[in-house]
Amino acid sequence: DAGVTQSPTHLIKTRGQQVTLRCSPKSGHDTVSWYQQALGQGPQFIFQYYEEEERQRGNFPDRFSGHQFPNYSSELNVNALLLGDSALYLCASSLLAGGRETQYFGPGTRLLVL
Amino acid sequence: AQSVSQHNHHVILSEAASLELGCNYSYGGTVNLFWYVQYPGQHLQLLLKYFSGDPLVKGIKGFEAEFIKSKFSFNLRKPSVQWSDTAEYFCAGGSTLGRLYFGRGTQLTVWP
Repeated sequence: DAGVTQSPTHLIKTRGQQVTLRCSPKSGHDTVSWYQQALGQGPQFIFQYYEEEERQRGNFPDRFSGHQFPNYSSELNVNALLLGDSALYLCASSLLAGGRETQYFGPGTRLLVL
Repeated sequence: AQSVSQHNHHVILSEAASLELGCNYSYGGTVNLFWYVQYPGQHLQLLLKYFSGDPLVKGIKGFEAEFIKSKFSFNLRKPSVQWSDTAEYFCAGGSTLGRLYFGRGTQLTVWP
């Protein structure tokens, strides 16, 4: 049973560029959440997708956008990259279960913005 | 605003010592609480979770946590740590909407 997978594992971009990160959820899961983890900090919630719609959004600018596909996989897009966007980006998948949702995390994509 | 705090940023123990890591959350209403662990070079893994019911929750690898509503706490415990428990531990909480709020994490180092 494959867990949550993310690609790529590492990425280097320059300021102003755009980046797309990808996530495949754990088998049987229908919800995908994205988090940003800066060095020395806990993960910060970016947004969550369910049924191809953004269900919740954290305190991130509109430069951060996402998408969920019919097969439940998801993409995170970041436009106009800033140095401060350098971080580990985590994807978590879960099954929407009446308020008892457990999120399982992928290995993350480490983004470095130069 | 909802938040989760972990007061111990780095804990150093010898093998066989007992462990307690603190976690406090700051919101009312229905709360779901979790402890995740990140071993060196690995991704975040679920240790245990609490939704409702028995406030003492048992997880994997001998870990347990107690939900104390009056203290807004969900501390993680293990009676006897091993060298292999060296890792970073994250407490997280959320409402029924699914978004998780994470603490800053506690780095646990266990000396053999």
